[in-house]
Amino acid sequence: GAVVSQHPSRVICKSGTSVKIECRSLDFQATTMFWYRQFPKKSLMLMATSNEGSKATYEQGVEKDKFLINHASLTLSTLTVTSAHPEDSSFYICSARETGWFNGYTFGSGTRLTVV
Amino acid sequence: GQQVMQIPQYQHVQEGEDFTTYCNSSTTLSNIQWYKQRPGGHPVFLIQLVKSGEVKKQKRLTFQFGEAKKNSSLHITATQTTDVGTYFCAVPWGSSNTGKLIFGQGTTLQVKP
Repeated sequence: GAVVSQHPSRVICKSGTSVKIECRSLDFQATTMFWYRQFPKKSLMLMATSNEGSKATYEQGVEKDKFLINHASLTLSTLTVTSAHPEDSSFYICSARETGWFNGYTFGSGTRLTVV
Repeated sequence: GQQVMQIPQYQHVQEGEDFTTYCNSSTTLSNIQWYKQRPGGHPVFLIQLVKSGEVKKQKRLTFQFGEAKKNSSLHITATQTTDVGTYFCAVPWGSSNTGKLIFGQGTTLQVKP
């Protein structure tokens, strides 16, 4: 089945620094990927839609200058949290789906970001 | 805007008891999906329902889509400890073909052995 690889799984950074999270579709091409944020014991909140070769689409309330998304190839999307602050600490997770027969969205394993 | 409400938020059951989680939408849905997230893990796709009144089964799991396509349920018969996790419903959001999903609040299931 489809596999989405996400790295790193866990990162601790200092306030003011930037962190890049990678999301790769391993055995399929994904022209679109989705980035979510999840707080402890809460649901997934869609942050943005990453589009290969074009600008990402951000959901209302999500700062595009803070959460930079790049989707430079059909298998890789990156999310960079810029000038991170403690309130950015969260679980970030990406997802994608294969074209053709629908078999659900495949999620990466997630990245636990802690900003100290 | 579109909302999807999921209840209950938590459920603790004794192993062998049944479990049900419900999702309700304010609008008619084209489809509804169900995902399971184990503690510390990521969501994993379980099933998609498309047709009005549809019922699908996966072993001890039964999924239903309401006749009006505004509500859905997931029922687990005779729960096991391996069923522990959070179950989310998810529905399409925004204009057609965006691929965006909005997730319910999730129901976290705890099973006592």
